[in-house]
Amino acid sequence: GAVVSQHPSRVICKSGTSVKIECRSLDFQATTMFWYRQFPKQSLMLMATSNEGSKATYEQGVEKDKFLINHASLTLSTLTVTSAHPEDSSFYICSASPGFMNTEAFFGQGTRLTVV
Amino acid sequence: SQKIEQNSEALNIQEGKTATLTCNYTNYSPAYLQWYRQDPGRGPVFLLLIRENEKEKRKERLKVTFDTTLKQSLFHITASQPADSATYLCAPLNYGQNFVFGPGTRLSVLP
Repeated sequence: GAVVSQHPSRVICKSGTSVKIECRSLDFQATTMFWYRQFPKQSLMLMATSNEGSKATYEQGVEKDKFLINHASLTLSTLTVTSAHPEDSSFYICSASPGFMNTEAFFGQGTRLTVV
Repeated sequence: SQKIEQNSEALNIQEGKTATLTCNYTNYSPAYLQWYRQDPGRGPVFLLLIRENEKEKRKERLKVTFDTTLKQSLFHITASQPADSATYLCAPLNYGQNFVFGPGTRLSVLP
């Protein structure tokens, strides 16, 4: 199946700094990618939809100035957590679908962010 | 608003038995429904998709049913093995809709 690669898998940063997470579709082009956040023992929560060549669409309650999304090419989307705080510590996952109808999502490996 | 429920947060069964997980949804009519498996610290992995006009779908030891009247999908794992232990997520969807997942059921298969 299609492969989505996410990097880094783990990152520890100091409070107040920014962290960038990359999501790449390795063998297909994705005009749309999705970013999720998952807290321990909870389900995936959609944060935003990343659209190639245009602004991301954020879900209600997600601060767009804090979680910057850039989808500069058909195979790469980045999520930057700006001015990170300990409460931003979480598991961040991206996904993309190669099909026209979004019939199957392929997920990255996830990034465990710890803000100290 | 759309709501997705999965039968229980955690389910323990004995190895060799059939595990049955439930996904119920309200306030919308999905055209299809997907099931994913998620292991700790990893992203979800797609397992099966069933469309609204399909009653049942099978893949090896997995079986999924989709009852649009009851607004429910059942996910069965037959002859369960400890390696099947994971969290299973359902996603009832319409075409072009952003993915929305249920809260998941954490399955533990005991040897």
